[in-house]
This record gives sequence, structure tokens and C-alpha cells, in this order.
Amino acid sequence: GEDVEQSLFLSVREGDSSVINCTYTDSSSTYLYWYKQEPGAGLQLLTYIFSNMDMKQDQRLTVLLNKKDKHLSLRIADTQTGDSAIYFCAESKYGGSQGNLIFGKGTKLSVKP
Amino acid sequence: EAGVTQSPTHLIKTRGQQVTLRCSPISGHTSVYWYQQALGLGLQFLLWYDEGEERNRGNFPPRFSGRQFPNYSSELNVNALELEDSALYLCASSYWTGWENGYTFGSGTRLTVV
Repeated sequence: GEDVEQSLFLSVREGDSSVINCTYTDSSSTYLYWYKQEPGAGLQLLTYIFSNMDMKQDQRLTVLLNKKDKHLSLRIADTQTGDSAIYFCAESKYGGSQGNLIFGKGTKLSVKP
Repeated sequence: EAGVTQSPTHLIKTRGQQVTLRCSPISGHTSVYWYQQALGLGLQFLLWYDEGEERNRGNFPPRFSGRQFPNYSSELNVNALELEDSALYLCASSYWTGWENGYTFGSGTRLTVV
């Protein structure tokens, strides 16, 4: 496909794990990113993974990368109400030579107490 | 360290008018990127400036333009505003080689065209 694809909504209960999935487009993308956007704010970089890695863990966040299927996922352990936000995945298409990250449309995560 | 700053935070314009949005990157960052975030459309890439030059632009009409100044700050100009230009305009900056750190975004300018 031509676009970075994400499901639009995810709802979980506080304390559960959240898994947000993304399909990207370019096998030459060097880095893949997860950003978080809270209401009325810009985007905050949560984590990234280099394309030669399969997994990266950073405290409650785990990123899994399947290069063969161009699939990226973000797992948030012990999800809290403060994690409610929109999560964007992004790829550095063409190895970054075009200077623009390509973003998905974002997954709105709702955490119910 | 100051983050990416954008001004103004909000503005309302009338269809047909012109608008200028401003962005100051993080100190030391030479690349500035502009994105449009319209409702339901995600982030659409507008422009990339590096070392004062336009390096790439997205699929937007020529009435979207900008520039980067010697201090690496940037302006985005939109002429002949249309209703569908209503969106959050996000500026981001990076070191050109700092891809592992991605981009650092500002909080955006919310433009409403009436």
C-alpha cells in the first residue's frame, strides 16, 4: 500500500496492556517511530526502532518490528488513564532522503478506569 | 533547552486572506519541517527546509510556501485561504543526521478559516 496504516481506535481498561499496530510502506525505511499526541498539543516522540532490530523495550513500552511483513507494534504495559492520547507511527521513507517522516492517521487510545 | 516554538497559537482568518505562521527550531537544529493536521486526515507533509533551502515539498498547491532564515527559524505562508485550510499546522525540527531522534514538534498553530 501507499499509506502507513493504523487502526483508528483502541479502548482498554486501566491496568491492562495496550497493543497498537501499524503497517508501513517502505522496506528501506531506516527508522520507525512512535509518537504520542495529547489533546491540544504537538507530537511527542515516545520511542523509535532501527530497522535492523526486532524488538526494543523501554520501561512500559515494547516495540516489535516484523520487516518481512512491514508491521510495527507498540505495546504499553499496565496502561494508565494518562496514556489516553492519539498514537502515531511514522517511517523515514526512502531512508530519510526525502526529509519527511510519513505518518499514519493515528490510533486514539481510550483508557477506562 | 527551549523546545520548538510556534506562533501564533491560534488564529482566525477569512477565506481569501493570507496568513504567516512562524517557527523557531531547537537550538542547533538546522532542518525545519511543516505538517498540516486536518481533522480526519492525519499529518500531511508540507515542506522541508534545511540550511536555508527548500529541500522537499508535499502534495500541496503553490499558495503554500515558506522560507528559512539564517538563524534557522522558518515561516509558512498560505495565500488565498480556503475553508479546507482550517487545520493544526505543526512545525518540527531535527539535526539532519539525527534520524534516531526523529523530529521534535512544536505545539502547533490552530488556523480556522471562516
